[in-house]
Amino acid sequence: EVQLVESGGGLVQPGGSLRLSCAASGFTFSSYDMHWVRQATGKGLEWVSAIGTAGDTYYPGSVKGRFTISRENAKNSLYLQMNSLRAGDTAVYYCARGEYYYDSSGYPKGYAFDIWGQGTMVTVSS
Amino acid sequence: IQLTQSPSSLSASVGDRVTITCRASQGISSYLAWYQQKPGKAPKLLIYAASTLQSGVPSRFSGSGSGTDFTLTISSLQPEDFATYYCQQLNSYPRTFGQGTKVEIK
Repeated sequence: EVQLVESGGGLVQPGGSLRLSCAASGFTFSSYDMHWVRQATGKGLEWVSAIGTAGDTYYPGSVKGRFTISRENAKNSLYLQMNSLRAGDTAVYYCARGEYYYDSSGYPKGYAFDIWGQGTMVTVSS
Repeated sequence: IQLTQSPSSLSASVGDRVTITCRASQGISSYLAWYQQKPGKAPKLLIYAASTLQSGVPSRFSGSGSGTDFTLTISSLQPEDFATYYCQQLNSYPRTFGQGTKVEIK
């Protein structure tokens, strides 16, 4: 079964750090881009970071310089190191797999987050 | 790239046809996906490449559009379809989401 399982969430004080993990199973982890997406309670989805198969990384301005995404293919694991945490970072954090889609000619026609974990809650509060 | 969904919420009855729109602030070709999210659950991919149904998703869901204007249609709303729906652009980073459309029971 294709599965993603997040862990590492919890309560942390403002300015503190936390490291989230995402364990992948049921697919060739090294062949896929991976992403983190968060959702504050009662709010919408916010893309947080991405890492490509070559280790290239991407962040939105809201977390750039504070969050670091990494992967360990030998362990089928994705990580998110979160530093200088703020109250506004309080959310459920999901990991997700990025999948490319191709047309009949082999030309890329789309991309989407096709597999999601169940999420892990991060609370930043004193 | 900003995505604007409309409406933000709607009330509908079982059997109704429901349409949700998503407008991008600049052209994104067909690099748009739609997700369904139920309370306390992770989002579920419904449609990718603007109009292609993900495997296992009922055929009452359909998507259309290209460039800046996109639509998600549910042809006959079922009880299990009451949820929040998000569009997402995957043309460039950051991979932005729309603000969501909550579909409630009328």
